[in-house]
Amino acid sequence: DVQMTQSPSYLAASPGESVSISCKASKSISNYLAWYQQKPGEAYKLLIYSGSTLQSGTPSRFSGSGSGTDFTLTIRSLEPEDFGLYYCQQYYEKPLTFGSGTKLEIK
Amino acid sequence: QIQLVQSGPELKKPGESVKISCKASGYTFTDYAMHWVKQAPGKGLKWMGWINTYTGKPTYADDFKGRFVFSLEASASTANLQISNLKNEDTATYFCARAFNYGSYAFAYWGQGTLVTVSS
Repeated sequence: DVQMTQSPSYLAASPGESVSISCKASKSISNYLAWYQQKPGEAYKLLIYSGSTLQSGTPSRFSGSGSGTDFTLTIRSLEPEDFGLYYCQQYYEKPLTFGSGTKLEIK
Repeated sequence: QIQLVQSGPELKKPGESVKISCKASGYTFTDYAMHWVKQAPGKGLKWMGWINTYTGKPTYADDFKGRFVFSLEASASTANLQISNLKNEDTATYFCARAFNYGSYAFAYWGQGTLVTVSS
């Protein structure tokens, strides 16, 4: 199985700051990587797929980069509503696997 | 709009069975596979497998072979997950999810989750 190592597990930042979350795959997954946001009481939200393509409705302050084994989710100019849990997921091969998650708190 | 609405929380004893439903709306149900994902308390996400909603053929991830069954009520645009001989470690929230387009495995649509608690 492809192991997805996500870091950091916890992040706190102030509105207006930029943050980055890393996701490393145990083998090359090309660009078959998605990023999700989960907020309490809400359904999971797909932010980015194919490593860097924004899903419809994802604010432009979110960006994804990387290919192969190393990927990054960057949120520029944080907004208060960006708090929540973030997960990466590879879909290069089955079983599909997810990172362990990053909890983003807004200071 | 596209929605996946799951059935409510369940409290079961070890050894019992549970059936969770996921009703889809806003699209042609048989055009997209339905996937199932497990999230144990305080843990990450684990993909369980998927069901071809056109043929009804299920595919299970290795850890979910045996006690787990994916099924359909296609006429009702509903996918089901049944877990038999429940164990404490089955305590989790179970999600159904659909890809954003045909052939992808990035999930744009998620159910709200169904919490299954297994306790004696």
